[in-house]
Amino acid sequence: ILNVEQSPQSLHVQEGDSTNFTCSFPSSNFYALHWYRWETAKSPEALFVMTLNGDEKKKGRISATLNTKEGYSYLYIKGSQPEDSATYLCALLSAGGTSYGKLTFGQGTILTVHP
Amino acid sequence: GAGVSQSPRYKVAKRGQDVALRCDPISGHVSLFWYQQALGQGPEFLTYFQNEAQLDKSGLPSDRFFAERPEGSVSTLKIQRTQQEDSAVYLCASSLAGLPGGNQPQHFGDGTRLSIL
Repeated sequence: ILNVEQSPQSLHVQEGDSTNFTCSFPSSNFYALHWYRWETAKSPEALFVMTLNGDEKKKGRISATLNTKEGYSYLYIKGSQPEDSATYLCALLSAGGTSYGKLTFGQGTILTVHP
Repeated sequence: GAGVSQSPRYKVAKRGQDVALRCDPISGHVSLFWYQQALGQGPEFLTYFQNEAQLDKSGLPSDRFFAERPEGSVSTLKIQRTQQEDSAVYLCASSLAGLPGGNQPQHFGDGTRLSIL
């Protein structure tokens, strides 16, 4: 059973603060790491799909890094805005066996940005 | 543009009733996934279709759960003789490519919130 851990579970920041959170995963059988943002009453929205060790991806004020050797990914938000409030989910796409690359999700980090 | 559509958004059923949840994926998407999300947890994989073929059903919690995608587009997740522990949000996602080999993001619907009384 794959174990994908996210920390912290929840985070409260003030508007304008920069923040980051962590996703840890077993490095064996790694294929890709996905990040999603899930706002209340909406559907999860894909942020990044990362495959290569050392990968860095950026989308506006949000960026992510990946270390497959040590099994972690960081998500950074620069200058947080209230509209960034959401649950941020990471998910591991594993290779091999009969898993057909199913996603194993972490429990999420709930971010609240206060005006 | 049409995204992934799920219906109903909310479903309340009495314990022991059968329920059916529908997913309309993005047109042309080969892969379709069902996930179950319990309160305070991340989504958990239930089953995967590549076109009409159900290639992985390892996450279905019991034989009361059944999923189909007969024509390779719309999918239905059926839960028979529902129990209280079936209460959860059921998410459907689709992606363009077939797996393995794809590293494309999955596109999610809004989910169906199922409550079993």
